[in-house]
Amino acid sequence: GAGVSQSPRYKVAKRGQDVALRCDPISGHVSLFWYQQALGQGPEFLTYFQNEAQLDKSGLPSDRFFAERPEGSVSTLKIQRTQQEDSAVYLCASSLVRNEQFFGPGTRLTVL
Amino acid sequence: SQQGEEDPQALSIQEGENATMNCSYKTSINNLQWYRQNSGRGLVHLILIRSNEREKHSGRLRVTLDTSKKSSSLLITASRAADTASYFCATLSSGSARQLTFGSGTQLTVLP
Repeated sequence: GAGVSQSPRYKVAKRGQDVALRCDPISGHVSLFWYQQALGQGPEFLTYFQNEAQLDKSGLPSDRFFAERPEGSVSTLKIQRTQQEDSAVYLCASSLVRNEQFFGPGTRLTVL
Repeated sequence: SQQGEEDPQALSIQEGENATMNCSYKTSINNLQWYRQNSGRGLVHLILIRSNEREKHSGRLRVTLDTSKKSSSLLITASRAADTASYFCATLSSGSARQLTFGSGTQLTVLP
C-alpha cells in the first residue's frame, strides 16, 4: 500500500479484556516499530522487529504486552487483561533504512 | 522515559510570522529528526539532520543542530494556519538501538 495502515482506528475495551492491534507496514520495509503515545506526550518506544525477528522489546511496560510479526510483514500488538493505564494511542512505524520512519495513523485505545 | 525536552510547550502566533521551537536531548546521537502531528493523526516526517551537520533547510523549514549543547531548533518561516499542529523532535542514538526517542512536543497554533 501507499503507507502504513493500522486497524482498528479506535478500540474501546472493558478493563480485563484482551485486545489485538494490527499494523500493515509499507511493502518491503524491513524494520517495524511499535510506540505508545499518552495524551499530550510524545511517543514512547515499545518494541522493534527486523523482518520476523523481535530484536528489542525493552519498552514493553509489562508481560501483558506481546507483539509478533510471524511472516516479516503484518504485525500484531496484543494486550492482555487491559488496565486503565493502557489507554493511549498505539503507533506503528516502518522503515527501510536506519533513518526516516513512516508512521501509521495509530489506534486509539480506551480502557473503561 | 522520554529523552528530549522541547520548549515552548505551546506557541501561538499570527499567520505570516515565524515560529521557532527548541529541543534538547541527553545522549550521543546519530541523527535528529523533526515530526509533525495533526490532532488525532499519525506523525509525518519533516526533516532529518545528521550529527555532523549544523544546519539544514527544506522549503520553509530550517533546522539547526548543536551537538556540543545537545540541542536543536526548528524554524518555520512565513507560517500558515495549516501549520497548526504538534511538532516533535526525535533522536536516533549513535549506538545500536534502532528506535527513535521523542521529545514531549510543542503545540503550535497559527492564527489566521
